[in-house]
Amino acid sequence: DGGITQSPKYLFRKEGQNVTLSCEQNLNHDAMYWYRQDPGQGLRLIYYSQIVNDFQKGDIAEGYSVSREKKESFPLTVTSAQKNPTAFYLCASSPDRGKNYGYTFGSGTRLTVV
Amino acid sequence: DQQVKQNSPSLSVQEGRISILNCDYTNSMFDYFLWYKKYPAEGPTFLISISSIKDKNEDGRFTVFLNKSAKHLSLHIVPSQPGDSAVYFCAASGTGTASKLTFGTGTRLQVTL
Repeated sequence: DGGITQSPKYLFRKEGQNVTLSCEQNLNHDAMYWYRQDPGQGLRLIYYSQIVNDFQKGDIAEGYSVSREKKESFPLTVTSAQKNPTAFYLCASSPDRGKNYGYTFGSGTRLTVV
Repeated sequence: DQQVKQNSPSLSVQEGRISILNCDYTNSMFDYFLWYKKYPAEGPTFLISISSIKDKNEDGRFTVFLNKSAKHLSLHIVPSQPGDSAVYFCAASGTGTASKLTFGTGTRLQVTL
């Protein structure tokens, strides 16, 4: 079955630590995205990548970093520079650059800073 | 700058009645619109979409209406069922945005018995 896998489902981080959220897809999609969901703010775009070895900042990229070394994988690192990292993080992919096919989403990772 | 707005954070509807969820947008370059449904602690799932060349698209109990002149779209669910209780996100993309979607803030629908 094709889909997007995010891991872990729950993640706890101490203040000052970097953490990496995993996102893997076997849909052969070109484009991948990271969103953050906070109560009352909908989904906000952190980073996106339309092709391997290339990625672009979204609306709230500060304090985050990504890599796209393989088509299937788009990990997100939440660095200590992110002032308010507690949120629900969603990874998504879409099949084609520049086309409006919509996204397939993973099931999300809830990150809590303790 | 919120380019896609869902002004009603929540909506309660009786089972069997119609649910109407609204969405407004400001970017005139948007030409494709989608609705996603999201349950707690899960990723959103695609529900229905509409291109700007149409003003209506229907899929079973779900119909999306687009009013381009008003930059407004709505999702109608008829009849509403308890399983429809979820958060609904409106999203838009268009010329110059590549495949990026801009999402609204969501509307929480509660279908009561």
